[in-house]
Amino acid sequence: DAGVIQSPRHEVTEMGQEVTLRCKPISGHNSLFWYRQTMMRGLELLIYFNNNVPIDDSGMPEDRFSAKMPNASFSTLKIQPSEPRDSAVYFCASSTGTGRSGANVLTFGAGSRLTVL
Amino acid sequence: GENVEQHPSTLSVQEGDSAVIKCTYSDSASNYFPWYKQELGKRPQLIIDIRSNVGEKKDQRIAVTLNKTAKHFSLHITETQPEDSAVYFCAPRINRDDKIIFGKGTRLHILP
Repeated sequence: DAGVIQSPRHEVTEMGQEVTLRCKPISGHNSLFWYRQTMMRGLELLIYFNNNVPIDDSGMPEDRFSAKMPNASFSTLKIQPSEPRDSAVYFCASSTGTGRSGANVLTFGAGSRLTVL
Repeated sequence: GENVEQHPSTLSVQEGDSAVIKCTYSDSASNYFPWYKQELGKRPQLIIDIRSNVGEKKDQRIAVTLNKTAKHFSLHITETQPEDSAVYFCAPRINRDDKIIFGKGTRLHILP
């Protein structure tokens, strides 16, 4: 398996533009997580899905952020409109979910580094 | 929800010496205790984990110890090497809950 695949790896955009980050989890993993990482706030959980269903989005900073998981192999995180304070590394991670051997191990993608000017 | 704290936030040790990082948590129902390592510019990766029915687990130079009564667990690295320089995160978890919250991280510097 190629692991968790994220795109783009780097994105530079101007304030007000729409940003879409993409993630392909490991095949067979049924939990998917989006995290944001900054020096000041560390690794923040934004939202997570089980079996494509959003379970907890309490970490999503505001209405400008939205996430979808239309099927088991694809998820998007969208920011519209983007602001300079959204600049961060966004990680997607997947796991097999609760109740199974090794269920609690997160496998991270390489991250998407977003810069909003 | 789970409240997670790591100490110290930064740690510098001489190469060859030992390093210990501590993670405290608030929810007594937590039963899975992993440590992740993130090297500069890379993604976090699991390096060791322990479940609540075990007090200590060792893997070569790294070990994790658990004190469920006091609600903390620690990462121990012995005979530190330059490649141990990284940020280390704990993420205690309640098995029935898929939500995974990370501590703020500990930046470990190995001095030559």
